[in-house]
Amino acid sequence: DTAVSQTPKYLVTQMGNDKSIKCEQNLGHDTMYWYKQDSKKFLKIMFSYNNKELIINETVPNRFSPKSPDKAHLNLHINSLELGDSAVYFCASSQAGTSGYNEQFFGPGTRLTVL
Amino acid sequence: AQSVTQLDSHVSVSEGTPVLLRCNYSSSYSPSLFWYVQHPNKGLQLLLKYTSAATLVKGINGFEAEFKKSETSFHLTKPSAHMSDAAEYFCVVSARGGGGYNKLIFGAGTRLAVHP
Repeated sequence: DTAVSQTPKYLVTQMGNDKSIKCEQNLGHDTMYWYKQDSKKFLKIMFSYNNKELIINETVPNRFSPKSPDKAHLNLHINSLELGDSAVYFCASSQAGTSGYNEQFFGPGTRLTVL
Repeated sequence: AQSVTQLDSHVSVSEGTPVLLRCNYSSSYSPSLFWYVQHPNKGLQLLLKYTSAATLVKGINGFEAEFKKSETSFHLTKPSAHMSDAAEYFCVVSARGGGGYNKLIFGAGTRLAVHP
């Protein structure tokens, strides 16, 4: 059983298009996250949701819109894609994010390539 | 503000020799620290975490890390490298985000190469 799954695994698209990435976790966690990993492997948090409520928004352009229909799902919609959006996007989940010790479980990543 | 610095971007070792991946942290309060590993084209997996219960933390696959407050370090070690250890390793600190929730701050990563 996959704990944190993402679809699609690969996404190749043209500049200006709109695309979505989906994430699901079956761990019963309350908190979910989106991270962006750039070409130099640097990982940075983008958003976090706790029980469908946005709790962290790290000054990401408003072309990026997360949506959490329920606490097991966190989707990422990107409008008007730009070349600089090319990256690997990771979804993660953890138990309620108020404890600094909570391990985050990561999905396999979605490699987005914008042409 | 919380941050981590991984002192080496690349480390190369021979199979069977010790591994040392260095990490220094900066934190205005008692930190929560983690090491994650990322194998090529894979997601991230937790190796170990420091929870203030013990300064020497043992993780999976024979890895361990020692929290040294006086040196603000959390170096990752393994006595004997295996070919399967070749991967990217991230030192991570937990920081306070909005509304009292925590977020992970990642170091830049250290690529470990293991050669026969």
